[in-house]
Amino acid sequence: AQSVSQHNHHVILSEAASLELGCNYSYGGTVNLFWYVQYPGQHLQLLLKYFSGDPLVKGIKGFEAEFIKSKFSFNLRKPSVQWSDTAEYFCAVNGNYQLIWGAGTKLIIKP
Amino acid sequence: DVKVTQSSRYLVKRTGEKVFLECVQDMDHENMFWYRQDPGLGLRLIYFSYDVKMKEKGDIPEGYSVSREKKERFSLILESASTNQTSMYLCASRPFRGGGTEAFFGQGTRLTVV
Repeated sequence: AQSVSQHNHHVILSEAASLELGCNYSYGGTVNLFWYVQYPGQHLQLLLKYFSGDPLVKGIKGFEAEFIKSKFSFNLRKPSVQWSDTAEYFCAVNGNYQLIWGAGTKLIIKP
Repeated sequence: DVKVTQSSRYLVKRTGEKVFLECVQDMDHENMFWYRQDPGLGLRLIYFSYDVKMKEKGDIPEGYSVSREKKERFSLILESASTNQTSMYLCASRPFRGGGTEAFFGQGTRLTVV
């Protein structure tokens, strides 16, 4: 069955700390992967996506993610977080029509 | 900019009422989706549509129906609202069929059923 697993439901970090959010997927077809972010009170928006080619993908606001096919993973990273990164982060993999979503990780950055 | 607009940000309805949630997208996308978002459960797909008048059940269709009479509009209907349908409802659209295209989301409708 197709699925996406995000390992941490809640993460709390101090400003300037490094971030890594885990995402593992199970999908049998050609893999396209996405990270979305939902800031408080705002709509879900795309952070970055992997289609093909370079497995290290750079997104907005200094985020990056690495696709590791052998580990079925697409972890999100940021070297130094800011208070404004407080949000909920969702990993997704493409399905036939819809995206298949992880449960989300709530990230809280302490100033 | 792609825009997905949901008709209401907040709704309060009574148990047993029929509830309509409307969603309009302005980018001629073929695919449209309704999700509900609950804490700790992520996004769960209720229904989706890949063309006008076409609909497919998602993971949690019970208690819901949908309508897509025009390409740009996708409506979610709660036939008889119940308190367990209190949730955040998200509409999304996506071009093409499958592949690497991203989905675009509306602001969400927070529905409270009392």
